[in-house]
Amino acid sequence: NAGVMQNPRHLVRRRGQEARLRCSPMKGHSHVYWYRQLPEEGLKFMVYLQKENIIDESGMPKERFSAEFPKEGPSILRIQQVVRGDSAAYFCASSPGQGSQPQHFGDGTRLSIL
Amino acid sequence: DQQVKQNSPSLSVQEGRISILNCDYTNSMFDYFLWYKKYPAEGPTFLISISSIKDKNEDGRFTVFLNKSAKHLSLHIVPSQPGDSAVYFCAASAQAGANNLFFGTGTRLTVIP
Repeated sequence: NAGVMQNPRHLVRRRGQEARLRCSPMKGHSHVYWYRQLPEEGLKFMVYLQKENIIDESGMPKERFSAEFPKEGPSILRIQQVVRGDSAAYFCASSPGQGSQPQHFGDGTRLSIL
Repeated sequence: DQQVKQNSPSLSVQEGRISILNCDYTNSMFDYFLWYKKYPAEGPTFLISISSIKDKNEDGRFTVFLNKSAKHLSLHIVPSQPGDSAVYFCAASAQAGANNLFFGTGTRLTVIP
């Protein structure tokens, strides 16, 4: 499967724990985007990364959220000290180049906070 | 601040008829528009796109129309099939250096056999 791979598909955390969401882009893609979808809403941009660089994090909450895309391995979206309001579907997308469209999406990670 | 709006949360159409999904935007810097289709528990799947230099793009049963003066676009599906039942998202981007997509809230299309 050469598509965008996200894991885990479902993640349950208690308030105060850390959540780590992983994304492997499509083969040949070096640009990764993270989006969040709250219930009954559209997807909202969070962050755009290239290998070892954060290019645009204008949609990321200022606290508790961080993202990385290391030279080797998947992109990671990390949420520290999770709260109930972090419950959402988190989607990763990839593209082959900066501004290149369309972006191709993974099936998402559904994060539930108890 | 919802820059891309889909004002119809749902739409039901008989199989074989035309489905028309609408989308409005407010940001005049947007110059590239996309439609994505989403099934439950899956990620959005790219369907069709249009650049602002065009007013129509067609791909099989799917046609997207863009009216820049009205800041409005629409997706036409004809003939509609039961497998088209899904949530459809309109998205927009400003190509000049921007990388993120702005999404509407989606329209749930149900095609009745």
